[in-house]
Amino acid sequence: QKEVEQDPGPLSVPEGAIVSLNCTYSNSAFQYFMWYRQYSRKGPELLMYTYSSGNKEDGRFTAQVDKSSKYISLFIRDSQPSDSATYLCAMSVRSGGYNKLIFGAGTRLAVHP
Amino acid sequence: DTAVSQTPKYLVTQMGNDKSIKCEQNLGHDTMYWYKQDSKKFLKIMFSYNNKELIINETVPNRFSPKSPDKAHLNLHINSLELGDSAVYFCASSPGDRYQPQHFGDGTRLSIL
Repeated sequence: QKEVEQDPGPLSVPEGAIVSLNCTYSNSAFQYFMWYRQYSRKGPELLMYTYSSGNKEDGRFTAQVDKSSKYISLFIRDSQPSDSATYLCAMSVRSGGYNKLIFGAGTRLAVHP
Repeated sequence: DTAVSQTPKYLVTQMGNDKSIKCEQNLGHDTMYWYKQDSKKFLKIMFSYNNKELIINETVPNRFSPKSPDKAHLNLHINSLELGDSAVYFCASSPGDRYQPQHFGDGTRLSIL
């Protein structure tokens, strides 16, 4: 079983829809939780970053962390065609005295006009 | 002004050859990373350097040797390339080891013939 599970999709939604992307994890030592967006042939770009359980909002994006259920979500409101990309969840863990990121497999999202 | 830049963007070469990928960041970050992203988009850390010191070395074959001449540069040399080395290699940087949000380059697409 992978440490971080993420449904690869693809997920196809109409413009304006609310999108929900999710990851589950098994390691309770994960400390920080991030969402990255990756456009085709580009590097991952940090979208959201959070430490504690609860919600964090930034414009049309809301990141939600539930440490008790080991579950994180990213919500995108009023989705736009420009949101079409792969979304990667990532979690930070301390290993051998240093922090490292463990990524989910990524969910491919397509928003059609 | 590109924050994390990698060269070359594309690398096509034959099995058995030796090749290098270069990475530079102009963010003033202390920590740099190499990741491998396979055909299924799974992003996995290979190495991390903090202030030119190797701090993370995942189970990567000895054919891969990173070098950090200064904290703004991290290069990756690969000896005796194999078919399984075909992937996209990403360089990333972060302010320090403890503050994890990482900034990625746009990747080097390595294809082994």
